[in-house]
Amino acid sequence: TQLLEQSPQFLSIQEGENLTVYCNSSSVFSSLQWYRQEPGEGPVLLVTVVTGGEVKKLKRLTFQFGDARKDSSLHITAAQPGDTGLYLCAAGSSNTGKLIFGQGTTLQVKP
Amino acid sequence: DADVTQTPRNRITKTGKRIMLECSQTKGHDRMYWYRQDPGLGLRLIYYSFDVKDINKGEISDGYSVSRQAQAKFSLSLESAIPNQTALYFCATSDPGRPWEQYFGPGTRLTVT
Repeated sequence: TQLLEQSPQFLSIQEGENLTVYCNSSSVFSSLQWYRQEPGEGPVLLVTVVTGGEVKKLKRLTFQFGDARKDSSLHITAAQPGDTGLYLCAAGSSNTGKLIFGQGTTLQVKP
Repeated sequence: DADVTQTPRNRITKTGKRIMLECSQTKGHDRMYWYRQDPGLGLRLIYYSFDVKDINKGEISDGYSVSRQAQAKFSLSLESAIPNQTALYFCATSDPGRPWEQYFGPGTRLTVT
């Protein structure tokens, strides 16, 4: 069974701090996605990473795919209260056509 | 207007009742999915459909059934609701060319008492 383990599960920080969220697996994936979910809404896709070692930036968010394509990280620089939410990593199985999700990281950024 | 809509947004029902959750999309995607979200467990796949005639069970399909009425409509039914089906339910769609980039509806909060 392919599993995605996210850490930490909960993170509470002050505005302006930096943070990193990790997504790890023992399986190799062809791509990995990061989603963000706000209360009362569905997840929204932030980014897809495809190539081992790939780095993508989205404003203050930096996403990295591990060289072996088994893990990924999300780094937020100078976090703001608007970054508060649930961050989910996900990866697809080419064999089954299904997407599997990590259990999520709940981020709270205090003003 | 939202690309993926779900009705109802909130529902409280009693044990043993039949309930249907509906999903509609205007994205023109062939693939549609139903997920369940519980605290600390992420999103788990209930059923998925690659087109109107192709419906597949996900990892937690027991106690649920689905119907793909058209490309744009995918409904989820709980034949006899039980309290441990209390959860957030999400519908999602994707394009076959980019199946891992999924677009989610706003969710239905279901409570079974």
